[in-house]
Formats: sequence, C-alpha cells, structure tokens
Amino acid sequence: QKEVEQNSGPLSVPEGAIASLNCTYSDRGSQSFFWYRQYSGKSPELIMSIYSNGDKEDGRFTAQLNKASQYVSLLIRDSQPSDSATYLCAVNPLTQGGSEKLVFGKGTKLTVNP
Amino acid sequence: SAVISQKPSRDICQRGTSLTIQCQVDSQVTMMFWYRQQPGQSLTLIATANQGSEATYESGFVIDKFPISRPNLTFSTLTVSNMSPEDSSIYLCSVDPRQGVYGYTFGSGTRLTVV
Repeated sequence: QKEVEQNSGPLSVPEGAIASLNCTYSDRGSQSFFWYRQYSGKSPELIMSIYSNGDKEDGRFTAQLNKASQYVSLLIRDSQPSDSATYLCAVNPLTQGGSEKLVFGKGTKLTVNP
Repeated sequence: SAVISQKPSRDICQRGTSLTIQCQVDSQVTMMFWYRQQPGQSLTLIATANQGSEATYESGFVIDKFPISRPNLTFSTLTVSNMSPEDSSIYLCSVDPRQGVYGYTFGSGTRLTVV
C-alpha cells in the first residue's frame, strides 16, 4: 500500500512568518512530488512540483525534496491570510504497467493569523 | 496547463438513483482520473480512464457502481449508480496533460448530496 503521510494540523502561524509543511512517503521509487492548495469548498490547485533532490523556489514558495529520507516539504515565506487553506502533498509512485496516478496525503490545514 | 470543465457543479439526489458527471478538457490527454473526496478527507482515486479501453478501478471501487465512459481524448463521464447517503462526496476529474512535466490539473468538482 503506497502511503503519503502529513501532519493534519491545524498549523497556525502569524502573518509574515514562515509556514513549514511536511510530508513523508512510503514508496522509495517515487519520482514526482506535488503540493496542492485547497481552499474550503474548492478543488485542489497545483502550486509546486519537484522531481529532484534539493530545493525548488517559486515566489514565496519553496519545495524541498530528500529522496533518501523519503521526505518532501513546503515552505511558505511571508505568510499571508490568503494562504489559509489545506495543503495536500501528492506523490506519483512507481507502478507496474506505467499508469500515472497520484497518491494524496490527508492534508495539513494552515491558518495564517493577521 | 489544461482547462477542465466539470458538470454539474453540485446536485442533490434521491437514494437509489444515478448521477452522471461530465468532464471536458480543452486539450487531448491520454489518461483522465476520477477522484472522490469525502467530507473532511483527502482525495481517493476511483479509477483511471484511457480512451479506447476499459477503465482501471482502484481497490474498493467497482464498475457496476461507478461506470466510466471515455469516448475520445477530451471527454469522460463518471456515473454514480444506485446512490446511498454514503456516496455524498465531492467528485473530481483530473488530467496530466504533460505526462508528469507540469503536474496534474483538477476540474472544479461535483458536490453530490444523497438524501
């Protein structure tokens, strides 16, 4: 069973702080990793993807991947109240037959307090 | 990224009836995915739909309950059959138009309530 684990939170940070969201995965052969943001009542929105070890930065967002530790994280700098949402970690595990499907964690609810 | 139109956006249905959800993509994609998100939960994959072949269902989901059509490379439907209140969920279709390069895009979702 391919698993993706996230701290469900809620995680609460003050406006302007750094929010750190963490995710671990069980399938060592996983190749692609994604972070989605989901506002209440809305569908998930892709905000970051990462495929290689190290950091990947996009604006206020930084994704970090450590395949040896099977760990992926998302840092949100200068957090804003509009960042308040549930953040879903998703992993594309290696599967026989080559089907491309994502396994999602349960999500971490982030609240940024003004 | 791909633009996905999904409808209906929401519906309230009587138990024992069926609802068909449509998903239209603005570009051709090889695979389309159908997910379910139960209240307060994360996303669970129901099935993968390839054009021209039978859908592949995940453990716990069967074709009789969730029949899927994929008539062409831009369109798919998911039917929720013989509904019960336990089927009340958000149903989402998703595509990966660039085969892992740019990530997966989701439709706006269908919020289903079964009474």
